[in-house]
Amino acid sequence: ELVLTQSPGTLSLSPGDGATLSCRASQSVRSFSLVWYQQKPGQAPRLLIYGASSRATGIPDRFSGSGSGADFTLTISRLEPEDFAVYYCQQYGGSEYTFGQGTRLEI
Amino acid sequence: QVQLVQSGAEVKKPGASVKVSCKASGYTFTDYYIHWVRQAPGQGPEYMGILYPTDGRTSYAQKFQGRVTMTRDTSTSTAYMELNSLRSEDTAIYYCAREVPEAYYFDFWGQGTLVAVSS
Repeated sequence: ELVLTQSPGTLSLSPGDGATLSCRASQSVRSFSLVWYQQKPGQAPRLLIYGASSRATGIPDRFSGSGSGADFTLTISRLEPEDFAVYYCQQYGGSEYTFGQGTRLEI
Repeated sequence: QVQLVQSGAEVKKPGASVKVSCKASGYTFTDYYIHWVRQAPGQGPEYMGILYPTDGRTSYAQKFQGRVTMTRDTSTSTAYMELNSLRSEDTAIYYCAREVPEAYYFDFWGQGTLVAVSS
């Protein structure tokens, strides 16, 4: 079973800072299936990045995704107050989807 | 606009079943796949399975096989997820989510349905 490990568990930053979130897979992942979501309290996850590096509709360009193989990164430049949330990576393989445990981005 | 509207919160006793609905609007129901994902309190999302609205085919995550049933009613553009033999560990928010066929990501999500299992 493929496992996605996100790090750090919690990231404490300030508005205006840059953030780098990591998602590491227990085995190689097909880049087209690597996705990032943002989740705020009491809300459903929101699609940010698909195919490892493509921004979803309406997502600001301060969000970017990169990586390949087993290591993927979500980068947020110039943090805005509304960016403080929990971020999850997700991948598809073996007919199932797997989510990471999340990185909490806090002020 | 695309919307997935789910049924309301449920409280169930251990051993009971729950059926959650997900009504789609703003797009052609049969043109997109519907997935079900749950999220226990303070945990990350957990994948449950997929429903193909065109023909009703399903594929369930191994963990839920034998305990979950996903169905649909194309006349009302509604998907359903029924989970049987509930236990306390099934307490979670259950989400439906839409996938563009073969896109491998979920672009719209329902608002979530809290299912609480308690004696």
